[in-house]
Amino acid sequence: AQTVTQSQPEMSVQEAETVTLSCTYDTSESDYYLFWYKQPPSRQMILVIRQEAYKQQNATENRFSVNFQKAAKSFSLKISDSQLGDAAMYFCACGADGLTFGKGTHLIIQP
Amino acid sequence: GAGVSQSPSNKVTEKGKDVELRCDPISGHTALYWYRQSLGQGLEFLIYFQGNSAPDKSGLPSDRFSAERTGGSVSTLTIQRTQQEDSAVYLCASSLRGGGLGGKLFFGSGTQLSVL
Repeated sequence: AQTVTQSQPEMSVQEAETVTLSCTYDTSESDYYLFWYKQPPSRQMILVIRQEAYKQQNATENRFSVNFQKAAKSFSLKISDSQLGDAAMYFCACGADGLTFGKGTHLIIQP
Repeated sequence: GAGVSQSPSNKVTEKGKDVELRCDPISGHTALYWYRQSLGQGLEFLIYFQGNSAPDKSGLPSDRFSAERTGGSVSTLTIQRTQQEDSAVYLCASSLRGGGLGGKLFFGSGTQLSVL
């Protein structure tokens, strides 16, 4: 069983600035994966970044990077050089077979 | 197909009616998931199909909900005797391998169900 907690219902950032979205999780699995998904108003869930829990190195995808603290069960997402197109709901997820999602963070980009 | 396809995009029904929601996964993807997303909430796991194995139905909220996957491809989620609390977006996802074990989930655009 897993639980995923996103403590920030909404975040706002100025265009071109950096923002960090928080996520904590709990799982009884020994092998698991962590994900951040983006959901724009179109409802389409888009994978942003994926982290294998057995890897210590933080995953990076262009402007998106994570800070994975396994002992603290923390998995935050950093978005650098924020763009207007980054505005969306962001969901953190954890799992091995089937994912458990947090309630999401609504990210607003101020022009 | 190029992506996960769900139909209908929107469904309005009357309380007590049955509804069927369809998901056509990416060709070759063995794993298929149904999630429910209520307004302002995260995604709630409903059911998981992996190949020919028995599905994991642990997330289905009541016996009014059922799902099948025919021929290892298309899946149908059926809600019988719909209630207003069933109103939500129903999302389908598929992956090449089971679950999060390296397998990224690819989502459809969902079906917005409104029960009046």
